[in-house]
Amino acid sequence: AQSVTQLDSQVPVFEEAPVELRCNYSSSVSVYLFWYVQYPNQGLQLLLKYLSGSTLVKGINGFEAEFNKSQTSFHLRKPSVHISDTAEYFCAVRRGSSNTGKLIFGQGTTLQVKP
Amino acid sequence: AAGVIQSPRHLIKEKRETATLKCYPIPRHDTVYWYQQGPGQDPQFLISFYEKMQSDKGSIPDRFSAQQFSDYHSELNMSSLELGDSALYFCASSITGTSGNTIYFGEGSWLTVV
Repeated sequence: AQSVTQLDSQVPVFEEAPVELRCNYSSSVSVYLFWYVQYPNQGLQLLLKYLSGSTLVKGINGFEAEFNKSQTSFHLRKPSVHISDTAEYFCAVRRGSSNTGKLIFGQGTTLQVKP
Repeated sequence: AAGVIQSPRHLIKEKRETATLKCYPIPRHDTVYWYQQGPGQDPQFLISFYEKMQSDKGSIPDRFSAQQFSDYHSELNMSSLELGDSALYFCASSITGTSGNTIYFGEGSWLTVV
């Protein structure tokens, strides 16, 4: 079974500052890793995903994440945040051998960008 | 581009009533997933279908049932509604054949049980 832990429930940060949202996963099999963003009263939008290959993946809105197999982590980063980045961010894992497997989500991290 | 369509977007029901949520996946997507997200919670997997057959089952109550139809749309039926069923219900879809294929989510259906 897979599981995901997001280490911070809330991350307050000032506009234009860098941010890192932490995610650790647990799995006995290979996995695919994802970050989704949920703006208030909206659905889940894919930010980026790691399948294989380069451990640094770039996504939309200037976000990037680095896969670290030895530390079983997939932290999300952005060098300079905007007010509009205020949202809930979910890290998710999916079994790597399945094309119909479900996503398992972490508890979410609320990013609060202050002016 | 077409997205996952869910209806209704908002629904208010009384306890013990029945509710049905509908989901229309992205065209050519053959897998549908249902998730439940309570207030301040992460999305919890309920059930999924691949080519109209149930492919996986999560924490779906026995009072709930779902199916995928021949046109690939799916419906989630919820009976004997309880206050705790109040949540945002997401439908998502994906297409097989591509490793690590992305799962796309709809905007969700808000269910309020009063």
